[in-house]
Amino acid sequence: ETGVTQTPRHLVMGMTNKKSLKCEQHLGHNAMYWYKQSAKKPLELMFVYNFKEQTENNSVPSRFSPECPNSSHLFLHLHTLQPEDSALYLCASSQDPLPDGYTFGSGTRLTVV
Amino acid sequence: AQSVTQLGSHVSVSEGALVLLRCNYSSSVPPYLFWYVQYPNQGLQLLLKYTSAATLVKGINGFEAEFKKSETSFHLTKPSAHMSDAAEYFCAVSDNTGNQFYFGTGTSLTVIP
Repeated sequence: ETGVTQTPRHLVMGMTNKKSLKCEQHLGHNAMYWYKQSAKKPLELMFVYNFKEQTENNSVPSRFSPECPNSSHLFLHLHTLQPEDSALYLCASSQDPLPDGYTFGSGTRLTVV
Repeated sequence: AQSVTQLGSHVSVSEGALVLLRCNYSSSVPPYLFWYVQYPNQGLQLLLKYTSAATLVKGINGFEAEFKKSETSFHLTKPSAHMSDAAEYFCAVSDNTGNQFYFGTGTSLTVIP
């Protein structure tokens, strides 16, 4: 148990579907992050939430929509995705502004068909 | 601004041999430095971190890293590789405010029996 739980672990969705990824942290951290990890590419920071406020959006397409209802939960809503969006989506949390490193979840393996 | 360079995207060692994974950083302020390990289809797990205390840092699974300011390096080592060490390793840097966190592109370690 890493303290950061992501569900589901695997997701297959069609390009017209709407789905959501969920992340929950049990560490009392105040910052949460979404990363995208594609094969043979560096980790891509997508969104940052600090004290529930979105502080960073790295030019992510609008078909990805984050939601942070409280400091323990983070969602990534997906709609009309493309096959190139298939990747491992990682959630992380940290205690900001002086991080003791990030704690990652196990990720959601997303396949868009 | 900070950045991280990991030399060698793939490293192969024989079981029982020394593991050396290289990481060089660029930072305008004293950095915090981290090594993470990622096993297949898993999230990233913190191996060790340097936060301006002892320059030789010991981590989990027998790994250690030495912070060398003169060389701007934070190489990861393990005296004797095990088959279970086969994974992807990421170096990361943060400034001491924690407002920015940068990952290297990763090094894939293969252990040959």
